[in-house]
Amino acid sequence: KAGVTQTPRYLIKTRGQQVTLSCSPISGHRSVSWYQQTPGQGLQFLFEYFSETQRNKGNFPGRFSGRQFSNSRSEMNVSTLELGDSALYLCASSLLLPGQGGEQFFGPGTRLTVL
Amino acid sequence: GENVEQHPSTLSVQEGDSAVIKCTYSDSASNYFPWYKQELGKRPQLIIDIRSNVGEKKDQRIAVTLNKTAKHFSLHITETQPEDSAVYFCAGYNNNDMRFGAGTRLTVKP
Repeated sequence: KAGVTQTPRYLIKTRGQQVTLSCSPISGHRSVSWYQQTPGQGLQFLFEYFSETQRNKGNFPGRFSGRQFSNSRSEMNVSTLELGDSALYLCASSLLLPGQGGEQFFGPGTRLTVL
Repeated sequence: GENVEQHPSTLSVQEGDSAVIKCTYSDSASNYFPWYKQELGKRPQLIIDIRSNVGEKKDQRIAVTLNKTAKHFSLHITETQPEDSAVYFCAGYNNNDMRFGAGTRLTVKP
């Protein structure tokens, strides 16, 4: 069974631009979560989706948004990029929500660099 | 929201010794506590998890204990090996929100 995949793996953007990152969960998984990982802030929760519904959003500005499609694939978008948005963006999928017995499997991440 | 604190931030042990990493959480409603291992340049991988209705769980050399009253949980690795060297993250989950500890860099010296 294929694991979680993320595209692109690396991205370089300039301040003010916008970016869209994609995550394809493990087949059959309906829950997708997104995290931002930086050396200074560690792993921070961005969003959780289940069956196309956003269940929760972390403490990030409105420039960060996301969506989940009917095939469970998910995208996240960051508009008006700032230097501080440079990070590794990880998505994780699970069959069920973690609170209902689901175990999360992480993708390889997208390394975003904002110049 | 949930707040998870993790200690120590770095831990160095001799091969064969045990390693213990501790985490505390703030939200008593949190019901799921996973542990992840992240090697340099790789994705986090789930190594063990525990739910709030269980006090202890073991998988070979790895064990996790949960004390709901004190709101803390710990990872125990016995007979450590050099390949256990990595950054370990604990997390607490409640109400569609996963919060991670800051991570512990474990070094196992051969």
